[in-house]
Amino acid sequence: GAVVSQHPSWVICKSGTSVKIECRSLDFQATTMFWYRQFPKQSLMLMATSNEGSKATYEQGVEKDKFLINHASLTLSTLTVTSAHPEDSSFYICSARGPGQGSNQPQHFGDGTRLSIL
Amino acid sequence: DAKTTQPTSMDCAEGRAANLPCNHSTISGNEYVYWYRQIHSQGPQYIIHGLKNNETNEMASLIITEDRKSSTLILPHATLRDTAVYYCIVRVAKGNTPLVFGKGTRLSVIA
Repeated sequence: GAVVSQHPSWVICKSGTSVKIECRSLDFQATTMFWYRQFPKQSLMLMATSNEGSKATYEQGVEKDKFLINHASLTLSTLTVTSAHPEDSSFYICSARGPGQGSNQPQHFGDGTRLSIL
Repeated sequence: DAKTTQPTSMDCAEGRAANLPCNHSTISGNEYVYWYRQIHSQGPQYIIHGLKNNETNEMASLIITEDRKSSTLILPHATLRDTAVYYCIVRVAKGNTPLVFGKGTRLSVIA
């Protein structure tokens, strides 16, 4: 089946540093990828929609200058958390729809990146 | 906002069928019903989806009522590995509309 790979699986870093998370579709091309965030004991919250070759679309309340998204190819999207602070600590999950172009194709998810800011 | 209502939690005995209900009374004609599950500390896993007909795959069966206002996910023989949070999501099959997650049902399979 379709596989979405996310790297790294977990990150621990100091407050003020920037962290980049990669999301790859391994066996299909994805013109659109989605980034979600999940806090403990809560559901997934959509952060942004990443579009290959164009600017990402951010959900209300998500700072685009804080969470930089780059979708440079059909198989790779990156999320950079800039100047991360403890409140940015969360579980970040990417997703891509495919394979195939059908609009009812399911989204497939990566295994997530657990980010801990000290 | 999520357009579905699911019970907060359910228990199921190992080896028995797990029937997870979902209400989506405001579903539109072009919206599909998707089911995902999330095992602790992992990304959501796709299970099954359907529009109006019942669907079955190697993981589960999806039963959608004739009026499409509710559905049931059936795991025919639950195992301990099926313990997870199960999400029922309705999504319009148009463009790149993303999935919007509700709170889901926490299924505990008990030995």
